[in-house]
Amino acid sequence: DIQMTQSPSTLSASVGDRVTITCRASQNINSWLAWYQQKPGKAPKLVIYKASSLESGVPSRFSGSGSGTEFTLTISSLQPDDFATYYCQQYNSDYRTFGQGTKVEIK
Amino acid sequence: EVQLLDSGGGLVQSGGSLRLSCAASGFTFSTYVMSWVRQAPGKGLEWVSAISGSGSSTSYADSVKGRFTISRDSSKNTVYLQMSSLRGEDTAVYYCAKEKGRTATSIDYWGQGTLVTVSS
Repeated sequence: DIQMTQSPSTLSASVGDRVTITCRASQNINSWLAWYQQKPGKAPKLVIYKASSLESGVPSRFSGSGSGTEFTLTISSLQPDDFATYYCQQYNSDYRTFGQGTKVEIK
Repeated sequence: EVQLLDSGGGLVQSGGSLRLSCAASGFTFSTYVMSWVRQAPGKGLEWVSAISGSGSSTSYADSVKGRFTISRDSSKNTVYLQMSSLRGEDTAVYYCAKEKGRTATSIDYWGQGTLVTVSS
């Protein structure tokens, strides 16, 4: 199975900060990567798909990049609504896997 | 509007069985891959299983292979997860999910989740 490793596990930041989260795959997954945002007690929400495509309705301050084994999610100017946990997910094969999550908390 | 309504969770003894259901509406059900994703209390997301639009192709995480069975009924627009030989580590919120396409892809809609608690 493909292992997904996110870093950092926790990130402390302030409103207005530029934030970057990294996701590494244990083997080449081309661009078959998604990012999700999850708030406590809620279902996840799709933010980015195919590594860099912004899901409809998601603010343009979110962006994704990368291919192969290394990917990043960037929030250009952190807003109060963005404090949440973010997960990457690969879907290069039928056996999808998630990263362990990155919690973005208020500094 | 796409809606996914998960149900069937509850308290079950270790070694027992449970069937989860997910009633879907607002899209052409037979076109899209459907998945189940779970989240143990205080933990991250774990993909569990997926089924193709036709129902002819299924896949499972190693942690549930041989114990869980995914199926779908296009006449009822419903996807199921039959869980047997349940263990304590299967305790989680189970989310039904719709994928974006006909093959493995990202999840664009999620159910509200249904809690499964396995007691010893």
